[in-house]
Amino acid sequence: SQQGEEDPQALSIQEGENATMNCSYKTSINNLQWYRQNSGRGLVHLILIRSNEREKHSGRLRVTLDTSKKSSSLLITASRAADTASYFCATDAWSGGGADGLTFGKGTHLIIQP
Amino acid sequence: SAVISQKPSRDICQRGTSLTIQCQVDSQVTMMFWYRQQPGQSLTLIATANQGSEATYESGFVIDKFPISRPNLTFSTLTVSNMSPEDSSIYLCSVRGLAGTADGTDTQYFGPGTRLTVL
Repeated sequence: SQQGEEDPQALSIQEGENATMNCSYKTSINNLQWYRQNSGRGLVHLILIRSNEREKHSGRLRVTLDTSKKSSSLLITASRAADTASYFCATDAWSGGGADGLTFGKGTHLIIQP
Repeated sequence: SAVISQKPSRDICQRGTSLTIQCQVDSQVTMMFWYRQQPGQSLTLIATANQGSEATYESGFVIDKFPISRPNLTFSTLTVSNMSPEDSSIYLCSVRGLAGTADGTDTQYFGPGTRLTVL
């Protein structure tokens, strides 16, 4: 079953605007990873944030993590048409003793209007 | 990141038949996983492919339906057996545990996926 929810499920903005997507999860995690998927293709890894980190940047991406609220956000600044894609958060509860994969949220479909 | 390839990239199959999907990584990895993405849905973990031993399956997935092999640290196969239209999905291979990455062994990378349609 899904770990959590992404909010919003769909987002349409104008090129150049900022896009913010939120992710909530239910259990304790070791890290949270954000991915992009274009048109049902493979997933592109965007950023990983560990449970002891609160904010992380990568180019135009900014990710925050609030473990007390079990939530994360992904901000894309100065959006471009090429950013149109589905974005997923995935939580990792890797314990080191088991074989755990990632648990994915439902995703946000982002459309950038030219 | 590692280069992950999957074969076939897509296939159309008849119900009752089986399809084996291959996943090849260009470097040795600690862990390999298989995920399913049903149309319009998110990803669900099927199983962890363990080298030299039986795969570890998530709840709702069984070995008879999704047998998995992992003969070495760079290759794995997933078979979708006795297919029905409900098996139509994208199947994705994923790896973690790459030497030399900034995030150590935690980042998971995904292959391009295999799009399966069952008629």
